[in-house]
Amino acid sequence: KNQVEQSPQSLIILEGKNCTLQCNYTVSPFSNLRWYKQDTGRGPVSLTIMTFSENTKSNGRYTATLDADTKQSSLHITASQLSDSASYICVVTRDNYGQNFVFGPGTRLSVLP
Amino acid sequence: DTGVSQDPRHKITKRGQNVTFRCDPISEHNRLYWYRQTLGQGPEFLTYFQNEAQLEKSRLLSDRFSAERPKGSFSTLEIQRTEQGDSAMYLCASSFGTEVILNQPQHFGDGTRLSIL
Repeated sequence: KNQVEQSPQSLIILEGKNCTLQCNYTVSPFSNLRWYKQDTGRGPVSLTIMTFSENTKSNGRYTATLDADTKQSSLHITASQLSDSASYICVVTRDNYGQNFVFGPGTRLSVLP
Repeated sequence: DTGVSQDPRHKITKRGQNVTFRCDPISEHNRLYWYRQTLGQGPEFLTYFQNEAQLEKSRLLSDRFSAERPKGSFSTLEIQRTEQGDSAMYLCASSFGTEVILNQPQHFGDGTRLSIL
């Protein structure tokens, strides 16, 4: 079954700390893996897109890694800010069309002052 | 603002009524997607358009749901005879892609939150 799992389900950290979110997938075939940030009441915003051949990709304080052999990805947030409080969704693409985007349930991150 | 816009942002209606949502994608984007999202879950795919053609429909999309994208521009999603279980956030996303232009990000609107009384 094509599935994306994320852990932890929720996470609370203090401002300025680092954190790492995990994504495991059993999707096949694989085209790319995406991380999105979704603020409460807003639509998701793209952070990174990684293809099979990419091991890491950064977007400011966000760094995503991909291990296609173990089918795992992580999103590392450095020096967290209050504005990082959001849900982070991992998405695996089977191809570039239609319903072949498999979404994870998201990790809810709360950054406290 | 040149992002994806959705209207209305909130809709409250009684069970059994029909509702229609509108999505205006980024103008140069040829692909348009509708998703449904419930609290604490990731978006679930509903349907997909490439230009004006509806190419994919999820089995989640019962015969009470219909979507159109006339002229390949804006899109509408209609739900007929609404049920309690239709309460959710309905998200629209757009992107540009071809057989050679791959791995482009989806740009999401902020959604329409539907509440069925």
